[in-house]
Amino acid sequence: GQNIDQPTEMTATEGAIVQINCTYQTSGFNGLFWYQQHAGEAPTFLSYNVLDGLEEKGRFSSFLSRSKGYSYLLLKELQMKDSASYLCASYTGGFKTIFGAGTRLFVKA
Amino acid sequence: GAGVSQSPSNKVTEKGKDVELRCDPISGHTALYWYRQRLGQGLEFLIYFQGNSAPDKSGLPSDRFSAERTGESVSTLTIQRTQQEDSAVYLCASSFESSATYEQYFGPGTRLTVT
Repeated sequence: GQNIDQPTEMTATEGAIVQINCTYQTSGFNGLFWYQQHAGEAPTFLSYNVLDGLEEKGRFSSFLSRSKGYSYLLLKELQMKDSASYLCASYTGGFKTIFGAGTRLFVKA
Repeated sequence: GAGVSQSPSNKVTEKGKDVELRCDPISGHTALYWYRQRLGQGLEFLIYFQGNSAPDKSGLPSDRFSAERTGESVSTLTIQRTQQEDSAVYLCASSFESSATYEQYFGPGTRLTVT
């Protein structure tokens, strides 16, 4: 089966740190994507993890544990513009990417 | 063009009518994907093209849905005899290589409303 779980909504304060978790159970797994999607706009690529561990890219970091079927996206020094949906997606092979429902993040002043 | 473009941006149609949605991928991108996103939900994979062939059509919800691609450029998604449950945003994405390990660049989507 294909199952990707992430929280529906999260709220955090400007300047703070927030961690968005994702667990996945997919038939086949090659890597884990995170995309950002602002309301009414198309998703944009944030990260792709293949190996276990943390990958840092500016204010955003992404972590993967293949053995646990778990990933998280870490956002530091939150800004108002970070208010968006964050989509976790599993690349299962065969050119198919399975997306989660997304986590809507609200950043408040 | 600079990015993936889709047309129309919005389409309102009556139940039972056919609709055609268009996607222009980034020039040189060989892979093209169609997704459907219902309100408040994630992206549902529909179909993938490598060049003008479609190795994976498993996501198409029913035989009312079909898609084609001309060479490595424009793709059209056709929905026949539309139903209200087809109302959603239809997103197209392209990538440089056939493997989905490369990031997908998304178009702005077509918002389809079936009345």
